[in-house]
Amino acid sequence: SAVISQKPSRDICQRGTSLTIQCQVDSQVTMMFWYRQQPGQSLTLIATANQGSEATYESGFVIDKFPISRPNLTFSTLTVSNMSPEDSSIYLCSVSGQGISNYGYTFGSGTRLTVV
Amino acid sequence: KQEVTQIPAALSVPEGENLVLNCSFTDSAIYNLQWFRQDPGKGLTSLLLIQSSQREQTSGRLNASLDKSSGRSTLYIAASQPGDSATYLCAVRQDRGSTLGRLYFGRGTQLTVWP
Repeated sequence: SAVISQKPSRDICQRGTSLTIQCQVDSQVTMMFWYRQQPGQSLTLIATANQGSEATYESGFVIDKFPISRPNLTFSTLTVSNMSPEDSSIYLCSVSGQGISNYGYTFGSGTRLTVV
Repeated sequence: KQEVTQIPAALSVPEGENLVLNCSFTDSAIYNLQWFRQDPGKGLTSLLLIQSSQREQTSGRLNASLDKSSGRSTLYIAASQPGDSATYLCAVRQDRGSTLGRLYFGRGTQLTVWP
């Protein structure tokens, strides 16, 4: 199955700043997703990253706060903008589609973000 | 909207026990179901993937079953080891509508296996 490289693995950021998280896949994939996992919670889908067009956001998430880029079929970025302590979470990139056996999902190792 | 529930929320057992983790989902229109393992502060590792047409999948000491019509899946762990300690997440993929392709997660079962 596909291998995902997600960077950075962790970061501590000041409130009001922005952080961009990168997700690189070793093969072309149809679908890429960004999830958030708040402390003690399960995963919540932020958005679907669409190649060549604007991302599709889930209810409660907006482009101004979480801008996403996907310039090609192997790479995407998620930016967490104007951060506050409530944004402290693990952010995960996930892929599915061609290159993933039987259309299962593969996840990156996650970015552990702490906002102070 | 699909809802996924996992029982129990936490489980603590001595090494060597056989375990059953439960997952239920409300909408049976799923494409597949996937079990993941998550170590503290880390990403997700896929354990088993069951297609909607399948009844079970096995990998080593792990066996997952799926009863799509009743909206249930179980993950069976044989002869548990301390290294199995982690959170186990169940996720279903929808097969139709505006939610096509997205995953719905349960809250997980936090497993601790002590020596």
